[in-house]
Amino acid sequence: ETGVTQTPRHLVMGMTNKKSLKCEQHLGHNAMYWYKQSAKKPLELMFVYSLEERVENNSVPSRFSPECPNSSHLFLHLHTLQPEDSALYLCASSQEYRVNIQPQHFGDGTRLSIL
Amino acid sequence: GESVGLHLPTLSVQEGDNSIINCAYSNSASDYFIWYKQESGKGPQFIIDIRSNMDKRQGQRVTVLLNKTVKHLSLQIAATQPGDSAVYFCAETDTDKLIFGTGTRLQVFP
Repeated sequence: ETGVTQTPRHLVMGMTNKKSLKCEQHLGHNAMYWYKQSAKKPLELMFVYSLEERVENNSVPSRFSPECPNSSHLFLHLHTLQPEDSALYLCASSQEYRVNIQPQHFGDGTRLSIL
Repeated sequence: GESVGLHLPTLSVQEGDNSIINCAYSNSASDYFIWYKQESGKGPQFIIDIRSNMDKRQGQRVTVLLNKTVKHLSLQIAATQPGDSAVYFCAETDTDKLIFGTGTRLQVFP
């Protein structure tokens, strides 16, 4: 139990569908992150939220839309995705948005497959 | 992090032996380093971290060594067990972004 819960664990969707990934952290942390993990590639940071405000957006296509309604919940809304978007999407949290002083704690991810 | 290649490096060790996993990092300004373990079907799990003002840190059955001169980080696992089988990757940062390596697969055989 990592304290970071992601749902669903697996998702198969067509390119024209709209779906959302959910992340909830039970650690009392103030910063939350979305990462993309593709085979044989390092983790790619997508979005960062600190105290519910977006602080980083790493040139992610607009078909990915994050939402952070409060410091415990983070969503990633998906629409008109492409086959290359198939990957493991990981959510993480940390006490503060200071990546050089504490580790991030990850959920188990959502395995996304685009048909 | 580690250099990116087409194949994930693999380390095979016998149960009970010690394992050493290496990581070459690129940014000489990095001052914080983390090792993560990722088992199949799970997310990365924090193992141990170290700051640049240290060259060694020990945890339970794990030791991280930092050599800033050659920008090298290693993770030592004592008495490797089957449950240690996973992908291990390092992460480095100087201020605002973690840079992850691609990982090393550790296989433990009886």
